[in-house]
Amino acid sequence: DVKVTQSSRYLVKRTGEKVFLECVQDMDHENMFWYRQDPGLGLRLIYFSYDVKMKEKGDIPEGYSVSREKKERFSLILESASTNQTSMYLCASSRLAGGREQYFGPGTRLTVT
Amino acid sequence: GQQVMQIPQYQHVQEGEDFTTYCNSSTTLSNIQWYKQRPGGHPVFLIQLVKSGEVKKQKRLTFQFGEAKKNSSLHITATQTTDVGTYFCAGTTGGFKTIFGAGTRLFVKA
Repeated sequence: DVKVTQSSRYLVKRTGEKVFLECVQDMDHENMFWYRQDPGLGLRLIYFSYDVKMKEKGDIPEGYSVSREKKERFSLILESASTNQTSMYLCASSRLAGGREQYFGPGTRLTVT
Repeated sequence: GQQVMQIPQYQHVQEGEDFTTYCNSSTTLSNIQWYKQRPGGHPVFLIQLVKSGEVKKQKRLTFQFGEAKKNSSLHITATQTTDVGTYFCAGTTGGFKTIFGAGTRLFVKA
């Protein structure tokens, strides 16, 4: 079974703080994704990566950056957290070839005060 | 940009009634996927459709992909309380990017 883990389930940070969200997958998947989920808006793609050290912007990359130094790990960084970044953050992974189904982690609920 | 619209946003049904959610894309899709997210959980992959006009079934769930590969539907026959959750469609046009619909949240009253 594919397992995607995220570093925290709940996180509370102050405005202006630098925030790191980490994601690890154990199935040697090439692709990794970061989404944020807000009520009524579904899942919106922030960044994705299809290989180590490679990254592509998604639909809402502003205010975020990512890092992928190892194949199994994909980090999302909020350089200076703001209250409008309060959200549920979901990490996912998938194979590069074949079926593109994505496997999601449990999510991190981030609150910025 | 590419959009995937999903309706309805919410659906309340009595247990035993049928349920359908619809997905429409502004562009032709190479494939479409469906996910289910239970309350408090994360999205879980249900199925992928690739071929024009494809129909797939999983027990009480029927998935369809339109002939033009721009729309899709998920139909649940005789809903049960275990069907409660949010159902998302997700379309891919090729490449790595998948666009998710906003989801349909299903409430089932026993």
